[in-house]
This record gives sequence, structure tokens and C-alpha cells, in this order.
Amino acid sequence: NAGVTQTPKFQVLKTGQSMTLQCAQDMNHNSMYWYRQDPGMGLRLIYYSASEGTTDKGEVPNGYNVSRLNKREFSLRLESAAPSQTSVYFCASSEAEGTDTQYFGPGTRLTVL
Amino acid sequence: LAKTTQPISMDSYEGQEVNITCSHNNIATNDYITWYQQFPSQGPRFIIQGYKTKVTNEVASLFIPADRKSSTLSLPRVSLSDTAVYYCLVGDTASGAGSYQLTFGKGTKLSVIP
Repeated sequence: NAGVTQTPKFQVLKTGQSMTLQCAQDMNHNSMYWYRQDPGMGLRLIYYSASEGTTDKGEVPNGYNVSRLNKREFSLRLESAAPSQTSVYFCASSEAEGTDTQYFGPGTRLTVL
Repeated sequence: LAKTTQPISMDSYEGQEVNITCSHNNIATNDYITWYQQFPSQGPRFIIQGYKTKVTNEVASLFIPADRKSSTLSLPRVSLSDTAVYYCLVGDTASGAGSYQLTFGKGTKLSVIP
């Protein structure tokens, strides 16, 4: 039982490049989330998926797209990376939507040059 | 745009009780208040959750007044390993009818001093 896994752990991109961050959970959770964490800003919600087949914008969705591929997997895509997207990205899952307990992955540290 | 308010930092000596308060004026009627702990280079980890009054588990207590517009996380007899950032998480009804956004507070950095 691995919980929430994220790939890659580290990534360096040049401005304008694209990439997809992968997230998977093996807890049969319905809801999944993507956050970014910047120094001094705490965690900010980018997108979430309350259940398979649905996605919704969070606080800071601009510049990102998501796909809920199936119940286990929720990916985050940067179509044209910008230096402002340099951050640590965390994926999380919970059994239900809302403030039900969330389980977090180890994070992906992304640097955009 | 922050929907919760917490102190930015707190210092405490080992063995003392620490209380961290979070303000959340727009909490949704059916939402719970959840606190998380985060160590450097790790994802946040669940500590405790409650709806009203008091909840206690093996690591912390959570006090919530009747109006639910704030909550206080209490850590008894802290040790050096409790040095971390603590976040409170609540629902936010300000986003419009039928929807809400999940909002973490900015977090409180707790430093435990030997």
C-alpha cells in the first residue's frame, strides 16, 4: 500500500516547455487534488476532482490543465511553463470531497528557467 | 486570497503546552475543521479533525467555540520533533451557491527550543 505517489520528484524546464506531473493513489479514494506551495504562501489549491470524471478549478488554476484519467490517477499539465510556475507541487486524495482527511504525496519540485 | 488567519510563527520551549488559533469566519455549515502538520520537504500530514466543542487524540486537542468562527490546536508538552508548520483547513462558502473551495491557512511555523 504505497498511498499517494508522484512522478517525477524533481524537474527543470525551460520557459515555454510543457510537461505533465503524474499522481496515483491506491486507497480507492474518490477525490483528488493538486496544490502548489511557494515560500511564505502556504498551500494553494490548483484543481481538484471530486469524483472520477469531474474536475473543478481551485484558487490558482491559470496556466494549468488536469485530467482525471481514472479513479486512481490525476495528472497536472503545464502547456507552456513560465518562471512563475516554479514551485513544489503536491497531489492529495481523500475518500470524499470537502474537508475529509487528505493524504498527500511526497511532492514534485519544479524549476522553470 | 487567504480565507483563514493564523499566526505566522510561534516559539516554545520543550515540555510546554502550545496553543495555535485559526480564524475562519466563512466556514460552511456542514464543514469540519482539520489541522495538518508539515515537516520540511514532506507533504502535510493529518493531525486532528473536529466539528464543534472539543476533540482529543493521542497527539493533540482541538477546541472549537459554539460559533465555529475559530479553532485552537493544542499540543501538550511539545518536543523538538514537533518543530513544523501547522495548517488549518476549512471549507469556504464565499465562493458561491453550491460550491466551495478548499483553503489552507498560510500556516504557523512552530519552533521548539531546547
